[in-house]
Order: sequence, then structure tokens, then C-alpha cells
Amino acid sequence: GAVVSQHPSRVICKSGTSVKIECRSLDFQATTMFWYRQFPKKSLMLMATSNEGSKATYEQGVEKDKFLINHASLTLSTLTVTSAHPEDSSFYICSARSSGGSGNTIYFGEGSWLTVV
Amino acid sequence: AQRVTQPEKLLSVFKGAPVELKCNYSYSGSPELFWYVQYSRQRLQLLLRHISRESIKGFTADLNKGETSFHLKKPFAQEEDSAMYYCASTFSGGYNKLIFGAGTRLAVHP
Repeated sequence: GAVVSQHPSRVICKSGTSVKIECRSLDFQATTMFWYRQFPKKSLMLMATSNEGSKATYEQGVEKDKFLINHASLTLSTLTVTSAHPEDSSFYICSARSSGGSGNTIYFGEGSWLTVV
Repeated sequence: AQRVTQPEKLLSVFKGAPVELKCNYSYSGSPELFWYVQYSRQRLQLLLRHISRESIKGFTADLNKGETSFHLKKPFAQEEDSAMYYCASTFSGGYNKLIFGAGTRLAVHP
């Protein structure tokens, strides 16, 4: 099946710095990618919808200036956490929509653990 | 508001027992419903979707529009079914974003 890859899988950064997480669709083109945040033992919270070549659509309560999303190509979306704080520490998951094959299917990356110290 | 509700955080059963993981949605339109599974230390995987009307790993789910439910069922649970199960739905408008329920942990005991 289709593969979505995230990098890095784990990252530790200092408070106040910025960190970038990449999400790639390896064998399909994804016009739409989604970014989620998952707190321990909680569900996935949709942060934003990323569309290739246009601005991301953020969910209510998500700071777009803090969580910068770029979807520059059909296979890559990036999430940059700017001026990170310890409360930004979380598991970030991306997913990508494939429009081929059996219809619209959403595939998930393996997730990225962010720890802000 | 568009919402997916999974009322049970944990469902604990013995091997061979029937399983039903509950999922309700609130949306007046025509959503597309999914069940995703997350095994320990693995990424989310699509288990099944209502439009496919298929059975995967013995699991089935039927969309009941009258009850706005999409419960996941399996007649005989196996230990390897132990995982987190998330019900999710796409809602029209914008880019068909996928909204998740809180998840239910299924624990199947020998």
C-alpha cells in the first residue's frame, strides 16, 4: 500500500528554538495532507489541512504563526514549530490523501515525537 | 458541531468472546465513516470504511443512519486484536478532513 514517511521520528529541541518535521508521500502524489497532534493516551487532534500550492487551513484554536505548514510539492509537507515551548512537546502525526486506486484513502505517517526542553 | 464519539475508553474481553466497539457521529449530511487501528508501537492503519462494506480481520461495521452509529463488531475476539481503535469520519466542506473519536483500547485476554 501507499507509504507516508515522517522525519525525524524523534527530536529534542531547546525552548525558544524552531523545529521542522517533514511528511512525505513516498509512492503517490498527495494534493492534501493533514497534520495531527496526539497527547499521551488521547485521540488525534486535527491541527490543519495542507494543500499543495496554497495556504493551510487551520483548525480553531491552532496558532498558525506558531505552527507553520508548507506544502510545496505533491509529495512533501512540512510542519515547523516556531519558538517552541515545553507545552508543545507532543506526538505529531501527518497523513496524506491518495486519490488513486480504490478512491480517496488517507494514509498515516509513523509520527514524530517532539520534546522541548 | 461535527463530532465522533466513542463512549468506551477501554473494552476488555476474553479470547473468543464477541466484541462491539461503539461509535456515534453527529453530522446532518452524508459523512464517510472509517475505523482505524493502532497496534502497539505502530502507525495508524485503516481497518475498514463503510462504503466498502467489507470484512477485515473478521471485523465488520455497518452504518446506521437512523442511530448515527458505526459500531465495529467481531464475533470472536483474538489476542492479536488487542490495540487502540479509532472511529473517524470525513465531513464535507473544505477538504474532507478526517475527524477522530477519542479511541477505544481493546484488550483481549487469553
